[in-house]
Amino acid sequence: GQQLNQSPQSMFIQEGEDVSMNCTSSSIFNTWLWYKQDPGEGPVLLIALYKAGELTSNGRLTAQFGITRKDSFLNISASIPSDVGIYFCAGHTYNNNDMRFGAGTRLTVKP
Amino acid sequence: DAGITQSPRHKVTETGTPVTLRCHQTENHRYMYWYRQDPGHGLRLIHYSYGVKDTDKGEVSDGYSVSRSKTEDFLLTLESATSSQTSVYFCAISETDRGPPRPDGYTFGSGTRLTVV
Repeated sequence: GQQLNQSPQSMFIQEGEDVSMNCTSSSIFNTWLWYKQDPGEGPVLLIALYKAGELTSNGRLTAQFGITRKDSFLNISASIPSDVGIYFCAGHTYNNNDMRFGAGTRLTVKP
Repeated sequence: DAGITQSPRHKVTETGTPVTLRCHQTENHRYMYWYRQDPGHGLRLIHYSYGVKDTDKGEVSDGYSVSRSKTEDFLLTLESATSSQTSVYFCAISETDRGPPRPDGYTFGSGTRLTVV
């Protein structure tokens, strides 16, 4: 099946710093999505990207759908303590309704 | 609040015993999913349902069965639990767009932490 490689696995940053994480795949996807998971909760959608090259922002978050359709990145600017959590990328293909998830990036923000 | 609840939230069970996890939705969505989450693997699909009594296998379905007798409930059963099934299980529902599920329309439950000893 399609595998998503998400990096880095974890990040320890200072409050106020910018963060960047990415996801790559050997297969193309129709949609790329980024989720955040807080402890003890399920993932919550942050950003969805629908076409190659698309750049979308949601507050301090910016994500891009790679032009090859095989990768995506998420940037968080000016991090704050509540950004702590696990961030997951996901890729979706329409023809078989397949949603695949990356292994996650665990973010720790030090005040 | 999100219209999807999982029960129980935590369970410890012994190897070889049957276990059933429940997912309940109040959104009347056609699609429901069961995922397991393990370190280093993200979320992996176990089974999903596209309507009452309509289910299909996902990526890691061995050792699991599901049932959906009502729109609002989707049950995941481990017929004979093994230690490799220790995991956090998430249910999800998804909105549809004139038929297929919308990839941006998934809502996840809060999870069930299952420990098999």
